[in-house]
Amino acid sequence: QVTLRESGPALVNPTQTLTLTCTFSGFSLSTSPMSMSWIRQPPGKALEWLARIDWDDDKYYSTSLKTRLTISKDTSKNQVVLTMTNMDPVDTATYYCARVNQYYESSGYYVHALDIWGQGTKVTVSS
Amino acid sequence: QSVLTQPPSVSAAPGQKVTISCSGSSSNIGNNYVSWYQQLPGTAPKLLIYDNNKRPSGIPDRFSGSKSGTSATLGITGLQTGDEADYYCGTWDSSLSGYVFGTGTKVTVL
Repeated sequence: QVTLRESGPALVNPTQTLTLTCTFSGFSLSTSPMSMSWIRQPPGKALEWLARIDWDDDKYYSTSLKTRLTISKDTSKNQVVLTMTNMDPVDTATYYCARVNQYYESSGYYVHALDIWGQGTKVTVSS
Repeated sequence: QSVLTQPPSVSAAPGQKVTISCSGSSSNIGNNYVSWYQQLPGTAPKLLIYDNNKRPSGIPDRFSGSKSGTSATLGITGLQTGDEADYYCGTWDSSLSGYVFGTGTKVTVL
């Protein structure tokens, strides 16, 4: 059974750095073609993809947020960590981690879907 | 700043059918698999359709997906009150090298 669980602070001060951890079970991120992503959703708004990390440590970031984001993994702990610097009230959102189901062809890796999601963690940015 | 465009809302009576469109471009829908996600009120999104038209185990066949060119469509037949939710399309964008979601569609059962 695959499960994902996000954890992190519920309240962050403006200008601080946010660190979120996704702890997962039921699969290994050290095996091809495993991959994980972070997504967020401001209250009442649409989903926004943030970042992705692959089994081989390839990383991808939202073009609008890439200067503020860092994604990393600890395969021994089955964890993926997202840090976001210089937090602002507009970053108030529920943050989700999700498993990326992808496949490999000779031309590279291709995404099927984000097939398993965590329950999300709500982050408020306020002083 | 969603890259994929969906209608804000659709509605129909119980038992009826609704369709939700998702419009993109050649860099996303046109050359990558489309997925659909269902988000019930107060819960995390759940995968509903993957690879344009495939259903994960446990998803009833009342839900269907299709893709043509740079657009995709989600269909829900035999509408039930439990289908009231927000629905999002999603796919990889090869130009952005990132995953993109639709603007989201709220389904209301009248």
